[in-house]
Formats: sequence, structure tokens, C-alpha cells
Amino acid sequence: NAGVTQTPKFQVLKTGQSMTLQCAQDMNHEYMSWYRQDPGMGLRLIHYSVGAGITDQGEVPNGYNVSRSTTEDFPLRLLSAAPSQTSVYFCASTAGGVGSYNEQFFGPGTRLTVL
Amino acid sequence: KNQVEQSPQSLIILEGKNCTLQCNYTVSPFSNLRWYKQDTGRGPVSLTIMTFSENTKSNGRYTATLDADTKQSSLHITASQLSDSASYICVVIPTSGTYKYIFGTGTRLKVLA
Repeated sequence: NAGVTQTPKFQVLKTGQSMTLQCAQDMNHEYMSWYRQDPGMGLRLIHYSVGAGITDQGEVPNGYNVSRSTTEDFPLRLLSAAPSQTSVYFCASTAGGVGSYNEQFFGPGTRLTVL
Repeated sequence: KNQVEQSPQSLIILEGKNCTLQCNYTVSPFSNLRWYKQDTGRGPVSLTIMTFSENTKSNGRYTATLDADTKQSSLHITASQLSDSASYICVVIPTSGTYKYIFGTGTRLKVLA
């Protein structure tokens, strides 16, 4: 199993550009989520999905869109990049549902810089 | 407001020594509390998961404790190794809004030879 994979590893954008961060998992997990990690702050939830076709907003959703057409894939779209979106982005997946005590698996991250 | 605070922010110890990292939280009620290890440039990796009714959980040289009365958890690392150099993150999962994990800012540990 590859676990959780993310592409690209690094990306530089100009303000106003759009792009999609890819995330895929091969563990058949229902729950997937996107986080951003900034210096001095804990990971913050952007969007999450509890299954194919079901997504919801997290703590910091503005400027980002998600979709979940398959169990495996959960892409994150930046609509119009801003310097405030410079961050490291992590995708994660977890088996199980509400109250799950199952382990959460993270991808290797995408380091995004917006100029 | 649900918060998770960790101390110290950073810590330097010599190889072979023990250390204890602290986590204080205000999340209540909560489903479970987790500790993650994050190596530089990598995603976090789960070390321990404790339910609200558990007091301790071990994973090799890592032992997590939980005191639900004082809302404190600690991660004790025994006989540290150079590979223990990483950030350690405490995470609390509330009972309501269970998918919205609450992450601490982490403790950065450096183990010196």
C-alpha cells in the first residue's frame, strides 16, 4: 500500500493563479481531510469528507474548494491564490466514522509559496 | 473555546536521557486524545491514541498518560535516541464535531549526541 500520496511536493504560484493539490489514498478510508500548517500554529482543518460525494467545511475554508467523486481521491483547489495561502498543506485519511479511534494517516505534504 | 496547549515549545536533551512533554486542553467532552510525531519535512505519524477513560498508553519507548480531571496529558520518552528529534503534537478529538480534530502547536525536541 502506498498509503496517502500528495502531489506536487513543492509549488510556487503568483497571486491570482489557481491550482489543484492532489491527494489519493489506497486504504479504502471513508474520512479524508485537508489541513494547513503554519509556523507557530497547530494544524488547521480546511475541508473534510466523510465519503464519496460528501464534503464539509473545516476551520479555515475560505479560498479553497474540494470535491470527492471517488473514495480514493480528494483534491483541494485554490481558486485565486493569495500570499496568505503560503503554507504547508497536508492531506489525511482515517478509517471508520463518528467517534472512530482509528489511526489517522497523513500524506507527505505540499509546500506552497504564493508570491 | 476548545484549545490544546503544549509545553515546552522546544527542548534539547542528550542522547540516552528521558524527557516529558506536556499537553493541557480545554476540550470537553472529548472522545480521544492522541500524540503524533512529526519529522522535519514530513507528515505527522500517530504514536498513541487514548480514550477519555484510559490513563496510560505505551508504544515502545513512548508512554502517554492522561488525567481527565485536570485535563492534562503527558508524553514520556525513555532512553532518547537521535531519531527522536522531531516535533510532538498533542491532538484532542471532541465528542461533538468529531471530525474537527484540535491540534496543539507542538513541542520541538532536539536530541544531541
